[in-house]
Amino acid sequence: GIQVEQSPPDLILQEGANSTLRCNFSDSVNNLQWFHQNPWGQLINLFYIPSGTKQNGRLSATTVATERYSLLYISSSQTTDSGVYFCAVGEYGNKLVFGAGTILRVKS
Amino acid sequence: DAGVIQSPRHEVTEMGQEVTLRCKPISGHNSLFWYRQTMMRGLELLIYFNNNVPIDDSGMPEDRFSAKMPNASFSTLKIQPSEPRDSAVYFCASSLEDTEAFFGQGTRLTVV
Repeated sequence: GIQVEQSPPDLILQEGANSTLRCNFSDSVNNLQWFHQNPWGQLINLFYIPSGTKQNGRLSATTVATERYSLLYISSSQTTDSGVYFCAVGEYGNKLVFGAGTILRVKS
Repeated sequence: DAGVIQSPRHEVTEMGQEVTLRCKPISGHNSLFWYRQTMMRGLELLIYFNNNVPIDDSGMPEDRFSAKMPNASFSTLKIQPSEPRDSAVYFCASSLEDTEAFFGQGTRLTVV
């Protein structure tokens, strides 16, 4: 099956710093989503981005489907950005395969 | 829309008991997914329904697990009998065809 690798596995930032999270996948996909799992365990949708670039406030994402990777950019990080960031790619029928996640800690 | 609704939010049960988890997908969505999250295995797909029909149950760990979707607005995941290794957070998600999937708040299951 498809493999999803996320990097880095852990990231500690000072409040206000910028960061880039990466997601590599092993095969063609018809769906790619980024999620933020907050400290309460909720999976929050950040981006639905099978290809191209999107921005939402301080967050933006880019997927280069032909090269099988996606990037999530967080600018001016805040403590509320802490949590786990997951990349998930969709195989047939929108079955999502999740990466192991990036644990982000933002310090004030 | 209220989003994907799961119940209960927390469940503690004794080994050997039957456990039933419930999910109401977003109205109008025709695909429904059950996922399980553990520290060891991360987030993994258990079963996937499309138009109320089970399409892929290859992720269901063993015969103790079963899932049903009697109509477009309700699904259950049942574990019988439950074992301590079933302790995990179970998520339900829904989507419209192959578009963006949305997750419920999850059910944290503890089997003692």
